[in-house]
Amino acid sequence: ETGVTQSPTHLIKTRGQQVTLRCSSQSGHNTVSWYQQALGQGPQFIFQYYREEENGRGNFPPRFSGLQFPNYSSELNVNALELDDSALYLCASSSAGGDDEQFFGPGTRLTVL
Amino acid sequence: RKEVEQDPGPFNVPEGATVAFNCTYSNSASQSFFWYRQDCRKEPKLLMSVYSSGNEDGRFTAQLNRASQYISLLIRDSKLSDSATYLCVVIPLLSGYALNFGKGTSLLVTP
Repeated sequence: ETGVTQSPTHLIKTRGQQVTLRCSSQSGHNTVSWYQQALGQGPQFIFQYYREEENGRGNFPPRFSGLQFPNYSSELNVNALELDDSALYLCASSSAGGDDEQFFGPGTRLTVL
Repeated sequence: RKEVEQDPGPFNVPEGATVAFNCTYSNSASQSFFWYRQDCRKEPKLLMSVYSSGNEDGRFTAQLNRASQYISLLIRDSKLSDSATYLCVVIPLLSGYALNFGKGTSLLVTP
């Protein structure tokens, strides 16, 4: 086990709703990255948080937003859900700097109906 | 063109076989390279880093060719437990350490 936890494990929402996903990073890590993995695809980078600031963002619209808290846990918020948002959402924690290994949590599987 | 491209497979091989996966990347300024393994409905886990000098870990060998922008993974003496999806990962320079994943190559090792 990596020590990275995510909640909830599964979630079903309808189009237009909003969702918040949560991630607790591994002890000693201060960086959290979020990824979206659609079925049959590799994970796609959404954004990264380092010391409570966004530290890089992938090609996702502004309705995908996030937060990092002083204990380095993080939230991913998605507004105005679309059917294509159905995916496995993964968070990964790491220490800042270099190409330090990112440890993934088990993910939250979101279904949008 | 996707930044990281892999043959999705599936690769079906018998136990004991040697299998090789290839991956190409488009950003010549990429700085770090990895292979991750992902079991069905689980999170990706780092298998090994990839260096120009080659990297071997037991039955697994990874190689990077920067001139051709090509990464390979060789698995010798395949085991049933090697069945998984293998994801090629690249970190472009100045990306903020965002992992750039390929689509993954599916491997099924059969008895």
